[in-house]
Amino acid sequence: DTEVTQTPKHLVMGMTNKKSLKCEQHMGHRAMYWYKQKAKKPPELMFVYSYEKLSINESVPSRFSPECPNSSLLNLHLHALQPEDSALYLCASSPLELTERGGGEKLFFGSGTQLSVL
Amino acid sequence: GQNIDQPTEMTATEGAIVQINCTYQTSGFNGLFWYQQHAGEAPTFLSYNVLDGLEEKGRFSSFLSRSKGYSYLLLKELQMKDSASYLCAAALRGYQKVTFGTGTKLQVIP
Repeated sequence: DTEVTQTPKHLVMGMTNKKSLKCEQHMGHRAMYWYKQKAKKPPELMFVYSYEKLSINESVPSRFSPECPNSSLLNLHLHALQPEDSALYLCASSPLELTERGGGEKLFFGSGTQLSVL
Repeated sequence: GQNIDQPTEMTATEGAIVQINCTYQTSGFNGLFWYQQHAGEAPTFLSYNVLDGLEEKGRFSSFLSRSKGYSYLLLKELQMKDSASYLCAAALRGYQKVTFGTGTKLQVIP
């Protein structure tokens, strides 16, 4: 299994709603990531979990709350979002294999959740 | 801080060769990735360079010069399906942090 699975594929929510995005991988990867991508822009890093611990938070507002229940699962809890948070949210994983050539950060992306906040 | 720059858009003809450049200024640089992203889809891995020089993989090649903070992606025998955005991304040493460049939208025309 070489896939990263994200659900749902599309989500529409109001500013007072609470919702969660889910991500799953079964490649034995030890790092998992959330990226946000606006139209015609590159992905922007939000969070990194390494060995199930939060290792990077790129100063993301607290209305986004990540969770890593185990090494295969990654969630992003959403609460009181703003219309400007509408974007494609991409989950990714990487193996973190330590080799001389590095490359352990090679990202495998899910197909994303297209989020619209009304 | 980090700065990773690419041309915004490029147009090339089917069957031709195109070179997409990427310049970067980062601290703790560990390696350089190239990803392809078709509209509405997730990025997919193309190549990785950690040492200076050229890495060839079929129609795609990638080059890195660490001293110059410069990389390029070379696409040969262009096909219409190569129309996509191409993203270079820098990996930082000691962190699981991969930061993307501004992205280049390539249009292949007949």
